[in-house]
Amino acid sequence: GQNIDQPTEMTATEGAIVQINCTYQTSGFNGLFWYQQHAGEAPTFLSYNVLDGLEEKGRFSSFLSRSKGYSYLLLKELQMKDSASYLCAVRDILPGGYQKVTFGTGTKLQVIP
Amino acid sequence: DAMVIQNPRYQVTQFGKPVTLSCSQTLNHNVMYWYQQKSSQAPKLLFHYYDKDFNNEADTPDNFQSRRPNTSFCFLDIRSPGLGDAAMYLCATSRDRGSGGSETQYFGPGTRLLVL
Repeated sequence: GQNIDQPTEMTATEGAIVQINCTYQTSGFNGLFWYQQHAGEAPTFLSYNVLDGLEEKGRFSSFLSRSKGYSYLLLKELQMKDSASYLCAVRDILPGGYQKVTFGTGTKLQVIP
Repeated sequence: DAMVIQNPRYQVTQFGKPVTLSCSQTLNHNVMYWYQQKSSQAPKLLFHYYDKDFNNEADTPDNFQSRRPNTSFCFLDIRSPGLGDAAMYLCATSRDRGSGGSETQYFGPGTRLLVL
């Protein structure tokens, strides 16, 4: 099975930087995804990490440490539209080669003026 | 534009009355997924199709069935909806080349199901 832990809620100020952490426990790790989900809408893909290190994509960066079972999503120059839930999702290779993606419960980020 | 389409966006059904939700995709992806997401909870995988192969999650109730008549379409059938089945149902697709690469999942807009 998998355990994925994220903070439930965070608040940050417009223009600031926020880091959303995700820890996981898995047996056949094969990649970690971050998704953004606005209320009532479907998740949209933000980033993917499978090797240790930092992946940067504009205002968004994602970091992975496989040995620690740890990832974070870094959002810079926060904008009001960044208020959303951020879902950490882990892909496992299960016995038989079957791949499965499991989502965390998400971190609800509120950006305030 | 290539996309994942779900119809309808909102579905109201009666307790115990069968309902079908549909998903179509123009991405030509070989994997299609159905997730259930309740308010403030993570999306929960119900099942997925890898090509024509159906993969059911161990804890998916028997009340939920799926059909994939061709690459583009996938249906979620709820045989006897209960009040607890009210949720957002998300369809997603991915291209799995078997290499374990960065095949992200692309989500449709979801169908919000209300059970009366």
